[in-house]
Amino acid sequence: DSGVTQTPKHLITATGQRVTLRCSPRSGDLSVYWYQQSLDQGLQFLIQYYNGEERAKGNILERFSAQQFPDLHSELNLSSLELGDSALYFCASSGSGTSLKGAFFGQGTRLTVV
Amino acid sequence: AQKVTQAQTEISVVEKEDVTLDCVYETRDTTYYLFWYKQPPSGELVFLIRRNSFDEQNEISGRYSWNFQKSTSSFNFTITASQVVDSAVYFCALSEVSGANSKLTFGKGITLSVRP
Repeated sequence: DSGVTQTPKHLITATGQRVTLRCSPRSGDLSVYWYQQSLDQGLQFLIQYYNGEERAKGNILERFSAQQFPDLHSELNLSSLELGDSALYFCASSGSGTSLKGAFFGQGTRLTVV
Repeated sequence: AQKVTQAQTEISVVEKEDVTLDCVYETRDTTYYLFWYKQPPSGELVFLIRRNSFDEQNEISGRYSWNFQKSTSSFNFTITASQVVDSAVYFCALSEVSGANSKLTFGKGITLSVRP
């Protein structure tokens, strides 16, 4: 058990809809990272938050957004969903954020857009 | 820009064989971390090892061993006496250590199948 909790584990939704994925980091970790794993793009970094503030952005679409709350849990919002958004979405957390002591991943949310 | 290349896409071995998974990386940073993750069929990403760029000592953990060679920018992973439970996709990853930006750049992964 990595200590990172993601909900839900599975999500099936229709094109054009909006969904929210939730991540609770390991106790004490201030940084949260979101990654997308798809068949064609592999594992890609989307966005990082550190103690409530956005710190880095990767290949995140404008239809996607994220936030980190005062209790450090994070949510990834995906809107106007397309078939190509079907993927496994991972959250990871790490320590101080200034040096990566070890990125531990949650079990992922498998999103299927139909 | 950082890049991780896992040239092998699929490897199939018979149980008890040794197998080496290759990883080559590119970075301009002098300080960085290298990782290996295992993704079993259930889908989760399991952390295996982290190595920093200043530590070229090889590491052994049970049947697993890692060979880090800075001169060739490689961080290879060997499984000795493979078992069916080792069947999974294995990812090599690289992170820079610059301020608070420590995102991981992953290779494409190697699918390892261990046959009984």
